[in-house]
Amino acid sequence: EPEVTQTPSHQVTQMGQEVILRCVPISNHLYFYWYRQILGQKVEFLVSFYNNEISEKSEIFDDQFSVERPDGSNFTLKIRSTKLEDSAMYFCASSVRRSSYNEQFFGPGTRLTVL
Amino acid sequence: DQQVKQNSPSLSVQEGRISILNCDYTNSMFDYFLWYKKYPAEGPTFLISISSIKDKNEDGRFTVFLNKSAKHLSLHIVPSQPGDSAVYFCAASPYSGGGADGLTFGKGTHLIIQP
Repeated sequence: EPEVTQTPSHQVTQMGQEVILRCVPISNHLYFYWYRQILGQKVEFLVSFYNNEISEKSEIFDDQFSVERPDGSNFTLKIRSTKLEDSAMYFCASSVRRSSYNEQFFGPGTRLTVL
Repeated sequence: DQQVKQNSPSLSVQEGRISILNCDYTNSMFDYFLWYKKYPAEGPTFLISISSIKDKNEDGRFTVFLNKSAKHLSLHIVPSQPGDSAVYFCAASPYSGGGADGLTFGKGTHLIIQP
C-alpha cells in the first residue's frame, strides 16, 4: 500500500541553524501539507501546497519557514534559523484532492530537537 | 482557541465492549470531519470521515455519528480489540471552495482496551 515517507526520522540541531525536513508524498496525490506536534500538545497545521505554490498557511508558518517541491517526488520544509520552541514532531501529509471530502495521509514524522 | 475539543484525555474500555469517543467543535464553517488513530512514534492513521450532509458513516467496526445542531460527533468502535489501544484524534476542515485546507485537530483521547 502506498505511503508517505519522511526523512530523517530524528534531527538534532543547534539553535540558529537551518534544517530541511524531507517528505515523499504518495505518488498520485496533488495536495501536500506540513503539520507539527509539540510534545504533549495537539497536531497543528502549518502549510498546504498545491500546483507548486502555497495554498494556505497558519499563523505558525512565519518567515522562517519555507516549503518547496524541488522535483517530482520530494516535498521539503525548511526552517531557516531554528529556535528552541521549534522542537516538535513534524508530519508531512498528502491527499488526492483538497481536504474537504478527502482524507489526508500522514507520514511517520520527523522528530526535530533544537539544542 | 480550541475549535475542536476532545474533553476526555483518556478512556478505558474492556475488550469486546463498545468504545465511544466524543468530539465537539465550535466553528460553524467546518463541514468535513475525520478521525485519526495514532500509535507512539508513528504518524496519524486515517480511520473514518463524515461530511456535514450525513449524520452517520460506518466502516466495519467503526461508526462516526455527526450531530450538526449540537456541533458534536462521536466515534463508536464495536467490538473493541486490544489493537485499538491508541490515541484518537478528531479533526475538522472547512469548506472553502478551493485550495488545500489544513485540518484542525483536537487534543486527542487515549483509548486503553483492557483484556
